[in-house]
Amino acid sequence: EVQLVESGGGLVQPGGSLRLSCSASGFTFSSYAMHWVRQAPGKGLEYVSAISSNGGSTYYADSVKGRFTISRDNSKNTLYLQMSSLRAEDTAVYYCVKDRGWYFDLWGRGTLVTVSS
Amino acid sequence: DIQLTQSPSFLSASVGDRVTITCRASQGISSYLAWYQQKPGKAPKLLIYAASTLQSGVPSRFSGSGSGTEFTLTISSLQPEDFATYYCQQLNSYLITFGQGTRLEIK
Repeated sequence: EVQLVESGGGLVQPGGSLRLSCSASGFTFSSYAMHWVRQAPGKGLEYVSAISSNGGSTYYADSVKGRFTISRDNSKNTLYLQMSSLRAEDTAVYYCVKDRGWYFDLWGRGTLVTVSS
Repeated sequence: DIQLTQSPSFLSASVGDRVTITCRASQGISSYLAWYQQKPGKAPKLLIYAASTLQSGVPSRFSGSGSGTEFTLTISSLQPEDFATYYCQQLNSYLITFGQGTRLEIK
């Protein structure tokens, strides 16, 4: 089955760190760029980050630049998002998303990150 | 950054109605626009990309049109499963943004 499964979300204090993982199956993971998109509770979608198929190129939204790091391990079919210096406004469901020419044709179910003291 | 403004933000309609949602870009984006459907508690689903290309498996009652700064998503005959929130998304020089969403509810 073609799917993406996120993990690693949870409650973290402001200023803390968290690493999200996304396990891919059912397609050739190493052939596709991958992305993270987030959605604050009751709000719209916000683009977060992208990584090329071989991991050689990355992109970040201004809101997370310098605090988040995207990476991938193609041998494990896994995408990561290392988040540090977390703020209350980073509270959201984080979706792992498969690329289709910078459109998003496969989404995971998401993992909730809550930043609160 | 390019801003996308969807209208209306909220739409009430009945099964069988034809509905249109508009997405306006703050500057021209050629045809680099997609539409997504999101149901409560679920991940978004790609409906249309490149402004008018229907994603595989999406019913033909969905259609998209437009280029430049104005785009539309049309549902020709609403079905019960179409009541959801719809988002447009643009790509311009790798600066991706989404519209604020249009919530479609049953009248």
